[in-house]
Amino acid sequence: DQQVKQNSPSLSVQEGRISILNCDYTNSMFDYFLWYKKYPAEGPTFLISISSIKDKNEDGRFTVFLNKSAKHLSLHIVPSQPGDSAVYFCAASEVQAGGTSYGKLTFGQGTILTVHP
Amino acid sequence: DADVTQTPRNRITKTGKRIMLECSQTKGHDRMYWYRQDPGLGLRLIYYSFDVKDINKGEISDGYSVSRQAQAKFSLSLESAIPNQTALYFCATSDGRSSGTSYNEQFFGPGTRLTVL
Repeated sequence: DQQVKQNSPSLSVQEGRISILNCDYTNSMFDYFLWYKKYPAEGPTFLISISSIKDKNEDGRFTVFLNKSAKHLSLHIVPSQPGDSAVYFCAASEVQAGGTSYGKLTFGQGTILTVHP
Repeated sequence: DADVTQTPRNRITKTGKRIMLECSQTKGHDRMYWYRQDPGLGLRLIYYSFDVKDINKGEISDGYSVSRQAQAKFSLSLESAIPNQTALYFCATSDGRSSGTSYNEQFFGPGTRLTVL
């Protein structure tokens, strides 16, 4: 049972254009969401996150949008650069009794982004 | 120097052999995790430990065991390796004492590529 799903295995974008990576989840107890980027032969690195009390978080060229009613989040990269080519993982953390997140992450399958010069 | 290190980086072994993957961290984090990555399945949690005396199974713990030798060390063992354990293995850490947006962030090692023949 995949609780976090990234239904697009790959995405190809021209340099300078917008990249939109999507993620859907099924567990209504998820309250915190993160995006990780992974280059070949390296471990994933944290990119950006969003709490369920927000619907948008922005950090430079990266913006994450959260639609709780649809259980959907997306990562926008504007403008896309060739160095953004990597695998992007969506991850979610579940709230526990007391209202705090547990800290244990559930990951999606990943989307391979290729940005062409 | 890397904050989270994994040894070995690559390992080829035969079915039935016992294998140990090691993880060390210098971040001073109390929480450590082991994941495996398979194509199309993303990162799946094998075991996690929130402190030296705390060990918990993740979603795919069968066939694996772990040992938390110290706050900084967390090793993963395959008692009798089988071919479907061929995968990329990642260790990660997080700071359970932090608050706010950094609470859920995990820091990953570079990974160990394991091949079981």
